[in-house]
Amino acid sequence: NAGVTQTPKFQVLKTGQSMTLQCAQDMNHEYMSWYRQDPGMGLRLIHYSVGAGITDQGEVPNGYNVSRSTTEDFPLRLLSAAPSQTSVYFCASVQGRTGELFFGEGSRLTVL
Amino acid sequence: AQSVTQLDSHVSVSEGTPVLLRCNYSSSYSPSLFWYVQHPNKGLQLLLKYTSAATLVKGINGFEAEFKKSETSFHLTKPSAHMSDAAEYFCVVSSMDSNYQLIWGAGTKLIIKP
Repeated sequence: NAGVTQTPKFQVLKTGQSMTLQCAQDMNHEYMSWYRQDPGMGLRLIHYSVGAGITDQGEVPNGYNVSRSTTEDFPLRLLSAAPSQTSVYFCASVQGRTGELFFGEGSRLTVL
Repeated sequence: AQSVTQLDSHVSVSEGTPVLLRCNYSSSYSPSLFWYVQHPNKGLQLLLKYTSAATLVKGINGFEAEFKKSETSFHLTKPSAHMSDAAEYFCVVSSMDSNYQLIWGAGTKLIIKP
């Protein structure tokens, strides 16, 4: 099992550029989520999905879009990158409603 | 409203001495509580979780945590620190308050002195 796979691991963007962070899991988990991690702030939920075709906003959704066309994939799109989106992004899938999160290794994004 | 507070942003201990990382939560409903660990430049890994079974929960790498409802606490402990324990630790709470969304503490950085 690969678990949760995130790509790319590192990315540098210019302000206004768009990009997609890819996330795939092979554990057949229904629940997937995207977090951003900033120093001293823990993890903050951006968007989440409780199953294919269903997405919802988390704590900090502005500037990000998601879709969930399959159980396996949950990409995160930045439509017009801003320096405030410089962060480390983690994708996670969840085993059950209050179960364990399985994290990808993270994607470090820098917006100049 | 649900919240979680990690009382120390940094904890420094000597190798071989006990570790205590403090976490307090607030929740109107019975919570599920988790501790996650993040080693430098790595992803996050579950250490242990409490989901209304035994109040003393044992996790990986010799860590354990005790759920104390009267004190709304879920402190993480380890009897003897090892250099490999140096990492950042996150306390996480989930309950009906937040529709089972996970609420993360800001993290505690554990520093191990040789």
